[in-house]
Amino acid sequence: TQLLEQSPQFLSIQEGENLTVYCNSSSVFSSLQWYRQEPGEGPVLLVTVVTGGEVKKLKRLTFQFGDARKDSSLHITAAQPGDTGLYLCALSGDSGGSNYKLTFGKGTLLTVNP
Amino acid sequence: EAQVTQNPRYLITVTGKKLTVTCSQNMNHEYMSWYRQDPGLGLRQIYYSMNVEVTDKGDVPEGYKVSRKEKRNFPLILESPSPNQTSLYFCASRGGNEQFFGPGTRLTVL
Repeated sequence: TQLLEQSPQFLSIQEGENLTVYCNSSSVFSSLQWYRQEPGEGPVLLVTVVTGGEVKKLKRLTFQFGDARKDSSLHITAAQPGDTGLYLCALSGDSGGSNYKLTFGKGTLLTVNP
Repeated sequence: EAQVTQNPRYLITVTGKKLTVTCSQNMNHEYMSWYRQDPGLGLRQIYYSMNVEVTDKGDVPEGYKVSRKEKRNFPLILESPSPNQTSLYFCASRGGNEQFFGPGTRLTVL
């Protein structure tokens, strides 16, 4: 059974600060996705990373996939109150598993205070 | 607009009263799934479907049933709901690497 751990579990910062959240797996996976979920809504896909060492940028968000494809990070520059939400990572597939099944971490709840 | 719809959005029911939560997607996706989200436990997959008439158990299938008679619809059935099924439920539809979630159904079983 793959384990997917996210840290920190909770993060409260002031507007304008930078932050990084982490996602670590107990085994190698074929691809990893990051989602953001706002209260009362379903998760929304932010990015998919598939190549070890890959870096993707989405405005002020930078996503990195570890070289060994067992970890990932999300860095937010100059956080804004609109970034508040639950950030979830999800991994897809392993060396012997189904590429369709997603396993989610428990998420990082980010609060950005004005 | 690509979307996944769920109904109802909110439901309060009593133990043992059968209920169905509907899910529909308009993206012609073959893969659909159901999740429940609970505090401290995160999102856990209940059932998934690879295509019409093809369904399989996820991580927490006990107490749930699903059916996939048409590609666009994937209802979740609770034959005899119990209080431990009180949760926030999400339907999802996946095409390639992109997964779309519905808005959620908040279920309370008294």
